[in-house]
Amino acid sequence: QLVLTQSPSASASLGASVKLTCTLSSGHSSDAIAWHQQQPEKGPRYLMKLNSDGSHRKGDGIPDRFSGSSSGAERYLTISSLQSEDEADYYCQTWGTGTWVFGGGTKLTVL
Amino acid sequence: QVQLVESGGGVVQPGRSLRLSCAASGFTFSSYAMHWVRQAPGKGLEWEAVISYDGSNKYYADSVKGRFTISRDNSKNMLYLQMNSLRAEDTAVYYCARARRDKVTLTMIYIWGQGTLVTVSS
Repeated sequence: QLVLTQSPSASASLGASVKLTCTLSSGHSSDAIAWHQQQPEKGPRYLMKLNSDGSHRKGDGIPDRFSGSSSGAERYLTISSLQSEDEADYYCQTWGTGTWVFGGGTKLTVL
Repeated sequence: QVQLVESGGGVVQPGRSLRLSCAASGFTFSSYAMHWVRQAPGKGLEWEAVISYDGSNKYYADSVKGRFTISRDNSKNMLYLQMNSLRAEDTAVYYCARARRDKVTLTMIYIWGQGTLVTVSS
């Protein structure tokens, strides 16, 4: 079964860096994922596609502060030089034949 | 400018029906698969349904299979979600979303609308 697991919450200080994790279920360690950001009271926004080899392709207008990397079944989103507007929920998402799956989301607090 | 605008949300009694619409602009609507994704109050994103660019293939989450129907009108650049036999647990913001690659259904979600709220309550 295709499942994505995320930690419910994370926090980091203004100007610092944070690394969020999304873990693919057994048998899916080679799958690509997408990262999406949802700021408070807004619709989600696509950030990037992240492949198993760590290569990633960001959406239009996504700042260089956002980057992705991979290790085994884990997919990471790193945000550097944190700004207040980065405080948001972050979701990973993948797809299989006939199904699309989201992780439970990580709520990022910028201190 | 690529834009997706949902409409049709509101308050509806359990067991009744509602149809959501999504107006697309700024891209060649007929070339892209389209999704409906929902978010219950205070909860995460939950994928519900997808329709291929030409309407020939449709997939549904188990939670809505047999109750919800996704459809599209490429001549009007419109996406629809017909929701029947609504339950309290269907209460959510419903987002219309576009696939990333043209003519490909099995790809990631790329463009999102702002959502429309559906409240199922007596």
